[in-house]
Amino acid sequence: GQQLNQSPQSMFIQEGEDVSMNCTSSSIFNTWLWYKQDPGEGPVLLIALYKAGELTSNGRLTAQFGITRKDSFLNISASIPSDVGIYFCAGQLAGGDMRFGAGTRLTVKP
Amino acid sequence: GAVVSQHPSWVICKSGTSVKIECRSLDFQATTMFWYRQFPKQSLMLMATSNEGSKATYEQGVEKDKFLINHASLTLSTLTVTSAHPEDSSFYICSAIGVAGGHQPQHFGDGTRLSIL
Repeated sequence: GQQLNQSPQSMFIQEGEDVSMNCTSSSIFNTWLWYKQDPGEGPVLLIALYKAGELTSNGRLTAQFGITRKDSFLNISASIPSDVGIYFCAGQLAGGDMRFGAGTRLTVKP
Repeated sequence: GAVVSQHPSWVICKSGTSVKIECRSLDFQATTMFWYRQFPKQSLMLMATSNEGSKATYEQGVEKDKFLINHASLTLSTLTVTSAHPEDSSFYICSAIGVAGGHQPQHFGDGTRLSIL
């Protein structure tokens, strides 16, 4: 099946530092998405990427859709305590089905 | 926009009880809704895909008679966990895609934490 490899699994950083995480797959996806999940809540969409090579920003977040359509990265600049949470990448297929990465657990120390 | 409401947010019940979880798209029509299960510190696992007016498609290993899905309207899908047992305790999350279809991202509800005693 279409497996996504997300790394790193967890990160412990100081407030103000930049963060980078990525996802790779052996399969091609039509859309790459990045979600954030807080404890006890559902994932919230951060960024959606629709074209190979696309680079999109949302505030301090920047994500890119890899040129091969098999990978994506998410950067967070100048991290703040409320950035704490689990970040999931997801690859979406033509019919709308998604496959999720295992998540990156981010801890930000004030 | 694209708000998905899930109810209830937390359920505690006795073993053998059936539990119904509702997923509603509040400000858009959803032809397709998805049901996921999430164990602690793990990613989301797709259980089934629900299309309005037709039978749900279940992922391999998910018992369709155990997890009954009904998608009777463009804004509501329900998941019923029948005769629930402690091993069914988990975090269940729904998501929805609007009528324009596959190229749109899924929007998620806030999840239902199910605890079976």
